[in-house]
Amino acid sequence: DVKVTQSSRYLVKRTGEKVFLECVQDMDHENMFWYRQDPGLGLRLIYFSYDVKMKEKGDIPEGYSVSREKKERFSLILESASTNQTSMYLCASSSPPLLAGDTQYFGPGTRLTVL
Amino acid sequence: QKEVEQNSGPLSVPEGAIASLNCTYSDRGSQSFFWYRQYSGKSPELIMSIYSNGDKEDGRFTAQLNKASQYVSLLIRDSQPSDSATYLCAVYPSGNTGKLIFGQGTTLQVKP
Repeated sequence: DVKVTQSSRYLVKRTGEKVFLECVQDMDHENMFWYRQDPGLGLRLIYFSYDVKMKEKGDIPEGYSVSREKKERFSLILESASTNQTSMYLCASSSPPLLAGDTQYFGPGTRLTVL
Repeated sequence: QKEVEQNSGPLSVPEGAIASLNCTYSDRGSQSFFWYRQYSGKSPELIMSIYSNGDKEDGRFTAQLNKASQYVSLLIRDSQPSDSATYLCAVYPSGNTGKLIFGQGTTLQVKP
């Protein structure tokens, strides 16, 4: 079974703090993703990494950065947390899609509250 | 912009009925299609995948794909209250970017 873990289930931070969200997968997947999910807005892709040290901006990268130093670990960084970054953050991983298409597997999510 | 559209619902069905969830997509070159289930406060979990036109059955779930009409559907037979969740349709578009395109999700309520 694919296992994707995230460092925290719930996190409360103050405005202006630097926040690190960690994600680890154990399936040797090349691709890793960070999404945020808000009511009525669905899943929105923040950043995507297709290899170690490689990253690509998603739909809403502003205010976020990422780091992937090892294949199994993908970190999301909020440089200076703001209240509008209060959200559910979901990490996912996958192999590159082949003809039959592997898919993404999600971690349990981190519910971040910025006060 | 490659899009995946779903009716947000809520779709309400009585226990034991068939629930039908629909999804349309804009990229005609899409090859792989997935249904995820997401319980409130939890992360999405994969329940069905389909790659070829026609039906694919897995227990009480049947995924249907019609590439000519660009829609994919999920049927849940003998719906149970435990099926109450949001169902996300996801598509790998053409171009092999590795990024899934998700619909907004349909909320299903199964009433006892």
